[in-house]
Amino acid sequence: EPEVTQTPSHQVTQMGQEVILRCVPISNHLYFYWYRQILGQKVEFLVSFYNNEISEKSEIFDDQFSVERPDGSNFTLKIRSTKLEDSAMYFCASSYPGQNYEQYFGPGTRLTVT
Amino acid sequence: QKEVEQDPGPLSVPEGAIVSLNCTYSNSAFQYFMWYRQYSRKGPELLMYTYSSGNKEDGRFTAQVDKSSKYISLFIRDSQPSDSATYLCAIADAGKSTFGDGTTLTVKP
Repeated sequence: EPEVTQTPSHQVTQMGQEVILRCVPISNHLYFYWYRQILGQKVEFLVSFYNNEISEKSEIFDDQFSVERPDGSNFTLKIRSTKLEDSAMYFCASSYPGQNYEQYFGPGTRLTVT
Repeated sequence: QKEVEQDPGPLSVPEGAIVSLNCTYSNSAFQYFMWYRQYSRKGPELLMYTYSSGNKEDGRFTAQVDKSSKYISLFIRDSQPSDSATYLCAIADAGKSTFGDGTTLTVKP
């Protein structure tokens, strides 16, 4: 069964450093998403991406964040200068166009900022 | 007012019990309602979605939407220890999903 994959599974970084989280969405999906979940809190939407541009973003997704689809398979989330409060699980998801109710999530990347 | 509010739990039931998990939402324009299951430190797994009002059944799971009261429910029949997880309700709105806080369910053998 096709699935969303994410790398790395755990990333430790120092405050102020840049990190790039990587995702490989399901191959015939065209909508891509990033969510985050701070430990013990709810899953929060960050950004959705379609046709090489951002469709929607939340207030969390400020200038420190960017997304990119550098090739036909990968989808990345970059955090330019990490803060302690960026420590969270980051989930990538994908869906067919027009079916954003049927999103498939990856296993997540646990980001720890020290 | 939160867009989605979920009964917080936690919930602990004996094996074989019927479980009811509930959420309310604020915007009557929402049309798609989802239930996800999340095991500890894993990604959410889509269980089922419903469109508009009514029931949808999948094996031991039934999702129910009451648009008049903006209430969504997930029922689990004959609950099993393997059902122990956190259950998340969510609504689909344009290009994103908005999640409830989650209810942690423990099914005891």
